[in-house]
Amino acid sequence: SQQGEEDPQALSIQEGENATMNCSYKTSINNLQWYRQNSGRGLVHLILIRSNEREKHSGRLRVTLDTSKKSSSLLITASRAADTASYFCATVGGDYKLSFGAGTTVTVRA
Amino acid sequence: EPEVTQTPSHQVTQMGQEVILRCVPISNHLYFYWYRQILGQKVEFLVSFYNNEISEKSEIFDDQFSVERPDGSNFTLKIRSTKLEDSAMYFCASTPLGGETGELFFGEGSRLTVL
Repeated sequence: SQQGEEDPQALSIQEGENATMNCSYKTSINNLQWYRQNSGRGLVHLILIRSNEREKHSGRLRVTLDTSKKSSSLLITASRAADTASYFCATVGGDYKLSFGAGTTVTVRA
Repeated sequence: EPEVTQTPSHQVTQMGQEVILRCVPISNHLYFYWYRQILGQKVEFLVSFYNNEISEKSEIFDDQFSVERPDGSNFTLKIRSTKLEDSAMYFCASTPLGGETGELFFGEGSRLTVL
């Protein structure tokens, strides 16, 4: 399986701090995506990084990809209470199927 | 903004009953998916659907499951004889793209509770 595995499982930070979570996967990928899920809600796409890209930014989000280490990181800068959610990495390999990891639950304290 | 809509939002059923979960994907999208998430666990792929047929399915998607696109807008997931372990949140998703799988657009989910 090429499913991503996130680390840490849970993260609690103060508002204004940065949140970093990591994702590792097992096999080669076409792209890696990050999604957010608010409690009891659907998944919302945040960012996609292709296998030939190393870093991508979107607003307060920064994603890195290291294909040699089969890992990715998601950084949320200047966190807000509204960033409280679960964050999932998802990989797409040769089968064009999106496979999710177990997620990191982020709690931002006011 | 176009969105994927799912009904019902919550369904409670007795073990052994048939359940149909409905989805209306975004209108110009070509690829459709069902995923499920058991409470507190990871999101698991069930099936993908393109050009009116299943393109891929997971081990979870056994003979008890079926999908259908009965008309130009709806995409349904049927569970023929529900089991307790089918209790989960079921998410429908769609994407316009072929080839490389890009961003998936997810619905808000249908929570299935099997008693």
